[in-house]
Amino acid sequence: NAGVMQNPRHLVRRRGQEARLRCSPMKGHSHVYWYRQLPEEGLKFMVYLQKENIIDESGMPKERFSAEFPKEGPSILRIQQVVRGDSAAYFCASSLIGQGISYEQYFGPGTRLTVT
Amino acid sequence: DQQVKQNSPSLSVQEGRISILNCDYTNSMFDYFLWYKKYPAEGPTFLISISSIKDKNEDGRFTVFLNKSAKHLSLHIVPSQPGDSAVYFCAASGGGNTPLVFGKGTRLSVIA
Repeated sequence: NAGVMQNPRHLVRRRGQEARLRCSPMKGHSHVYWYRQLPEEGLKFMVYLQKENIIDESGMPKERFSAEFPKEGPSILRIQQVVRGDSAAYFCASSLIGQGISYEQYFGPGTRLTVT
Repeated sequence: DQQVKQNSPSLSVQEGRISILNCDYTNSMFDYFLWYKKYPAEGPTFLISISSIKDKNEDGRFTVFLNKSAKHLSLHIVPSQPGDSAVYFCAASGGGNTPLVFGKGTRLSVIA
């Protein structure tokens, strides 16, 4: 019973490069969320996706960041032209709609992005 | 403007005693609250939740209390164990599959 999978676990990029973070939700889960955690901070919501649809991207920077959750395959968070301020832990979570009245989100282990 | 606040960055408790972690929120539209536990270099792990129609939910050693009028919730861990040492995040939701709003976390240290 695999949980939420994220890869890579660690990613190092030079300024100006692109970063691609992948997330496979728990089996049967069709809702995916991306959060970012800066040091000594809580997790901040970035984007909420269902299969092939972006439901809420209010937490995502307008430039350089994009996300997708295709019909087949993992969800991908893409950061173009990374800057040092993008260095953070990026967590993906998934949830199952209609699970009683509980709406727990289950998190992956995160991808730690370091921009040099 | 923080909608979910955990005002104690850290807490130390003796093994076997009760740990009480507190959380305040400002948005009255929140109707579902969750606690997550996080170890270093791992993702948050769901611990316990409570709906706004309840004022208490219990699961083994963990109990969450909700005081809607005060917009306050607390997590009680009793008895505390060394393995409980972690960062605990309070999170709130407007219901459904909406994004979670997290507090900054409280680092709990349980001393043997």
